[in-house]
Amino acid sequence: GAGVSQSPSNKVTEKGKDVELRCDPISGHTALYWYRQSLGQGLEFLIYFQGNSAPDKSGLPSDRFSAERTGGSVSTLTIQRTQQEDSAVYLCASSLGQLGETQYFGPGTRLLVL
Amino acid sequence: GQSLEQPSEVTAVEGAIVQINCTYQTSGFYGLSWYQQHDGGAPTFLSYNALDGLEETGRFSSFLSRSDSYGYLLLQELQMKDSASYFCAVRDPGSGGFKTIFGAGTRLFVKA
Repeated sequence: GAGVSQSPSNKVTEKGKDVELRCDPISGHTALYWYRQSLGQGLEFLIYFQGNSAPDKSGLPSDRFSAERTGGSVSTLTIQRTQQEDSAVYLCASSLGQLGETQYFGPGTRLLVL
Repeated sequence: GQSLEQPSEVTAVEGAIVQINCTYQTSGFYGLSWYQQHDGGAPTFLSYNALDGLEETGRFSSFLSRSDSYGYLLLQELQMKDSASYFCAVRDPGSGGFKTIFGAGTRLFVKA
């Protein structure tokens, strides 16, 4: 079946604008994760969804960041009033159960804030 | 909180064996995962250890010692395509076990 997909693959925006990043997980995967990866760095956890609820939002860097998931499937990460330090690759992953030992990653959205 | 330590870079020769270590400090522990990421690509799952011992999957093996808070990824018969970054990861029980913490990654260079 299809893997995790993300859109757009690249996004260039001006400082202060809002952006929306989309993730389509693998069908049937109940757990969904968002991560951020800066160049040459590890993955920084942002938020976890189980179904449509987000029991762990502890990684969201500020209140400019929000995310939602609908229908237990598609998720959107929204960054309001973007700042240059938001520039990074935003990765989405899904897993079949809650345990998350095996996460399947999408190709990521490369965000550049000018 | 959780933290993971792994070497930043490792260089090895094609056909050789290389070991990438990962030590962790955790307030609890569910298991250790390993992921591979090629430049510009997405991380891909390699292995998971919940119990002590060695797990083998083809050319890749992963080892865990919970008493030592230590694990490693062993890559045998290295190929040029194995040049990538390798991340160890654990779940954080402190946040309900949902949050995954990744190490900073080990960049493997395979030379001809």
